[in-house]
Amino acid sequence: KAGVTQTPRYLIKTRGQQVTLSCSPISGHRSVSWYQQTPGQGLQFLFEYFSETQRNKGNFPGRFSGRQFSNSRSEMNVSTLELGDSALYLCASNAGPLSGANVLTFGAGSRLTVL
Amino acid sequence: AQSVAQPEDQVNVAEGNPLTVKCTYSVSGNPYLFWYVQYPNRGLQFLLKYITGDNLVKGSYGFEAEFNKSQTSFHLKKPSALVSDSALYFCAVRDIGDDKIIFGKGTRLHILP
Repeated sequence: KAGVTQTPRYLIKTRGQQVTLSCSPISGHRSVSWYQQTPGQGLQFLFEYFSETQRNKGNFPGRFSGRQFSNSRSEMNVSTLELGDSALYLCASNAGPLSGANVLTFGAGSRLTVL
Repeated sequence: AQSVAQPEDQVNVAEGNPLTVKCTYSVSGNPYLFWYVQYPNRGLQFLLKYITGDNLVKGSYGFEAEFNKSQTSFHLKKPSALVSDSALYFCAVRDIGDDKIIFGKGTRLHILP
C-alpha cells in the first residue's frame, strides 16, 4: 500500500515567484491536511480538505491556497514568495473527518527554499 | 480554540535512563491527544494516541503516555532510553468539536551513549 506522496521533494525559488506543491494521499483516504514546519514555529496548520472542500483553515495569509481534486489528490500554492516562506511543507492524509481520532499519515515533505 | 505547549525545546537523557517529554494542552471540550516522532530526514510517524479510557496509553517502540485531565497534560515516557530514540517529538491535540489537529513546537530528544 503506497504511502503519502509529495512532489517535488526539494525546490528553490526566488522572492516574488509562486510555487505549487502536490500531495497524493493513501489510497482510500479522502482527507488531506497541509502543515508548514519551521525550526522556530514547529508544525503550523495550513488547511484541510475533504471531498474537494476546504473544511478548516489556519492563520496564514491569502497567498497560501490549496485545492483538492476528485481523486483526493491535493495541491497547495504559495504566491508572491517571501524569504520567510522557506520551510518544509508536510501533507498528511486520513480516512476522513467523521472520526476525530483518526491518525494522520504524513508524507516526506517538500522542502522549499526561497532566495 | 485548542492549543498545545511543549515547554522544553530539548531534552538530554543518558542511554538506559527513563525519559519524559512534556506536553500540556488547552481545549474547550474533551480532547483527542497524539504523539508523533520525526527521525532525521524522515516524515512524521505516529507513536500513540489517547481517546478515552485508561489514562496510561502504550504505543510504538516502547513509548507510553499518561493523560492527566486535572493538569491538562499528556507527557510521553519510556522506562529505558535508547540512542535510537534520538529524534524530534511532537505532541498534538484535536478538539472533538473542531476537526483540526494542532501540533506543539516539538521537543528534540538527545539520548547520550
